[in-house]
Amino acid sequence: GAVVSQHPSRVICKSGTSVKIECRSLDFQATTMFWYRQFPKQSLMLMATSNEGSKATYEQGVEKDKFLINHASLTLSTLTVTSAHPEDSSFYICSARDLEGLANEKLFFGSGTQLSVL
Amino acid sequence: SQKIEQNSEALNIQEGKTATLTCNYTNYSPAYLQWYRQDPGRGPVFLLLIRENEKEKRKERLKVTFDTTLKQSLFHITASQPADSATYLCALGYNDMRFGAGTRLTVKP
Repeated sequence: GAVVSQHPSRVICKSGTSVKIECRSLDFQATTMFWYRQFPKQSLMLMATSNEGSKATYEQGVEKDKFLINHASLTLSTLTVTSAHPEDSSFYICSARDLEGLANEKLFFGSGTQLSVL
Repeated sequence: SQKIEQNSEALNIQEGKTATLTCNYTNYSPAYLQWYRQDPGRGPVFLLLIRENEKEKRKERLKVTFDTTLKQSLFHITASQPADSATYLCALGYNDMRFGAGTRLTVKP
């Protein structure tokens, strides 16, 4: 099946620094990728939809200047948490669809990035 | 507003029994519904998709039902094993897929 690779898996940073998370589709092309955030014991919350070659679409309440998304190629999307603060500490997960595959409604997820801001 | 509710936050069962998880939704008219498994510290993994015209779908020890009148899906794991312990999420949508809060299943040996 399709594989989505995400790294780093864990990052600890100081308040005020920026953190970049990479999401790659390894064996398929993804014109669209989705970024979710998950707080402990809560469900995944869609943050934004990353579109190759165009601007990302952000969900209501998600600051686009805070969470910068770049989808420069058909296999790579990046999420940069700018000027991170402790309240940004969370589990960030990316996902994508393999539109060439069977049952292309399903999402393939990366393994997630646990961000801890001190 | 649209809601996806998984009634049980946690479910504990004995090995060998059948686990039944519930997913209810409001203000959706879905063409299909999906179930995912999530292990701690990992991203979700797709398990099953059931379409609106399908009453039931099976995959090995998994069975999903979909009642669009009740706006409910049931997810069953038969002959449960400790390895089935995980959080199970139901999901709706395509371009903005939303997830329920999940049910944390623990299967005790």
